[in-house]
Amino acid sequence: DVKVTQSSRYLVKRTGEKVFLECVQDMDHENMFWYRQDPGLGLRLIYFSYDVKMKEKGDIPEGYSVSREKKERFSLILESASTNQTSMYLCASTPEDAPGEQFFGPGTRLTVL
Amino acid sequence: GIQVEQSPPDLILQEGANSTLRCNFSDSVNNLQWFHQNPWGQLINLFYIPSGTKQNGRLSATTVATERYSLLYISSSQTTDSGVYFCAVDRGGYNNNDMRFGAGTRLTVKP
Repeated sequence: DVKVTQSSRYLVKRTGEKVFLECVQDMDHENMFWYRQDPGLGLRLIYFSYDVKMKEKGDIPEGYSVSREKKERFSLILESASTNQTSMYLCASTPEDAPGEQFFGPGTRLTVL
Repeated sequence: GIQVEQSPPDLILQEGANSTLRCNFSDSVNNLQWFHQNPWGQLINLFYIPSGTKQNGRLSATTVATERYSLLYISSSQTTDSGVYFCAVDRGGYNNNDMRFGAGTRLTVKP
């Protein structure tokens, strides 16, 4: 089975802190994604990556950056956390031969105080 | 982008009841998935079903791509079925950045 793991289930940070959210998948998937999920807004795509060192902006990239130095790891970075970035963050990956089939990690619930 | 509408938004059932969740989408799609988000936030793949019918235990799904809808059937519901069910679609192709999620159906199964 595909396994997508995220570094933390719950995280509490202060405004202005730099925050790293890590996502690792163990199935050699080419494509990886970061979403945030908010009540009433559903899931929204922040960034995605098709290959190592490659990144593309999603719908709401402002205030975020990403890093993909290794194929299995996709990191989401909040350069200076703000309270409106309090959310559930979900990472997903897809295999190259079935790009429409996404596998999700357990999510990280981030609270910015 | 593609609009995805799910209905009903909320559903409350007694254990053992059957239910049908619907997903309508506004344009032709090449990919469609159903997910279950459990109370802990984990999104679990249920079906990858851009067309046709699939069954997995008590769950089954049907997508009629030409009519732009998909249905998720849950039979003999159990309390562990509670959570939010999401439908997600996209047009496919190499640039898989157009996946759209519906707002979800929140299912509560009471013992």
